[in-house]
Amino acid sequence: AQKVTQAQTEISVVEKEDVTLDCVYETRDTTYYLFWYKQPPSGELVFLIRRNSFDEQNEISGRYSWNFQKSTSSFNFTITASQVVDSAVYFCALRGGFYNQGGKLIFGQGTELSVKP
Amino acid sequence: DGGITQSPKYLFRKEGQNVTLSCEQNLNHDAMYWYRQDPGQGLRLIYYSQIVNDFQKGDIAEGYSVSREKKESFPLTVTSAQKNPTAFYLCASSPTWTGGYSNQPQHFGDGTRLSIL
Repeated sequence: AQKVTQAQTEISVVEKEDVTLDCVYETRDTTYYLFWYKQPPSGELVFLIRRNSFDEQNEISGRYSWNFQKSTSSFNFTITASQVVDSAVYFCALRGGFYNQGGKLIFGQGTELSVKP
Repeated sequence: DGGITQSPKYLFRKEGQNVTLSCEQNLNHDAMYWYRQDPGQGLRLIYYSQIVNDFQKGDIAEGYSVSREKKESFPLTVTSAQKNPTAFYLCASSPTWTGGYSNQPQHFGDGTRLSIL
């Protein structure tokens, strides 16, 4: 079975704090892809990052960074110097092959991040 | 700009009524998906289509129906058999793939909020 767990339901920080959102996944596939999406209050899902299973390089994009560790099946997301505009629900998602329901995304339950001024 | 358009943004359903949610994309993607999001939860797959005139049930297809007569369009009908239709519905699309896997992210529309009158 494939599963994504985001254990943190809600996180509240003060602006300029660093914050890490945890994501743990389960899959038997050897090839798979991991994604992070942001859902602002308006509702649309905004793609942030993808990582494939054979590339464990960490990635940094501005204030965002991602730490992929296959050994612990984790794909954590860190926001450095958080800002109020970062307030949103963040979803981690897993995608296997298209044999699995057309390559559907399997989502975690989401982490609601609130950044206060 | 290419993207996915969902309409209407808000929809109300009366008891015993079928309602149809529209999803149109101009990204030239072959694969399209419908997800349902309930408060505080991740997204769950309702139906998906990998090619025109073909579609498959997802994890929670009961009470829903779809069609895929054109590449650009993938409407979702919420039938009267769906007893708990109140939710946020998101349509997504994805490029084609080779070799059974794709690292391409799914692109999402802005969603439709459905409520019961």
